[in-house]
Amino acid sequence: GNSVTQMEGPVTLSEEAFLTINCTYTATGYPSLFWYVQYPGEGLQLLLKATKADDKGSNKGFEATYRKETTSFHLEKGSVQVSDSAVYFCALRSGGSNYKLTFGKGTLLTVNP
Amino acid sequence: DTGVSQNPRHKITKRGQNVTFRCDPISEHNRLYWYRQTLGQGPEFLTYFQNEAQLEKSRLLSDRFSAERPKGSFSTLEIQRTEQGDSAMYLCASSLGGPSSDTQYFGPGTRLTVL
Repeated sequence: GNSVTQMEGPVTLSEEAFLTINCTYTATGYPSLFWYVQYPGEGLQLLLKATKADDKGSNKGFEATYRKETTSFHLEKGSVQVSDSAVYFCALRSGGSNYKLTFGKGTLLTVNP
Repeated sequence: DTGVSQNPRHKITKRGQNVTFRCDPISEHNRLYWYRQTLGQGPEFLTYFQNEAQLEKSRLLSDRFSAERPKGSFSTLEIQRTEQGDSAMYLCASSLGGPSSDTQYFGPGTRLTVL
């Protein structure tokens, strides 16, 4: 079956530090890959996505590249801000008629000033 | 704003009681999903509707759970004879449909506490 494994948290960084949150997946076929973010007290929001191999998703300074050869979709940001403090979820949607998302467990990021 | 809305936002109930949650998707989204999220975990898929048809149910959805989407718009999730293990955040999401429009937009969730 499908599964997503992401880096265990929590992750604590200073403002302007470089961020990487690792995500690897197991899936049949050619899944679409997503990063969702959950800010304190708010619902899940789509951060970025990639739908095929070698695609790069980007938004708000965050980037992730769909690597089929390593089955990975690592999230990166060059310079984090305090406002980036949130829980980040990696997810996949497998192809075909099965539209459900399979999520990782989430990684809590805290950015200190 | 026409995002996904869920009501109530919080529900506290006693074990054995029935509860019902409502989800209003983004208008014109024909797909609607329910997920459950427990503390420290990612959301887990429960069920999925395309218009009014319930097309898939997870094995997590025991016979005490029932979901409906009677007119292809809002949806309800009912839990009968609640148990303490049902305590979780219940999330609803909707999407427009079509292979290039598979982005799911989530509501704020309903947090259920079973005492």
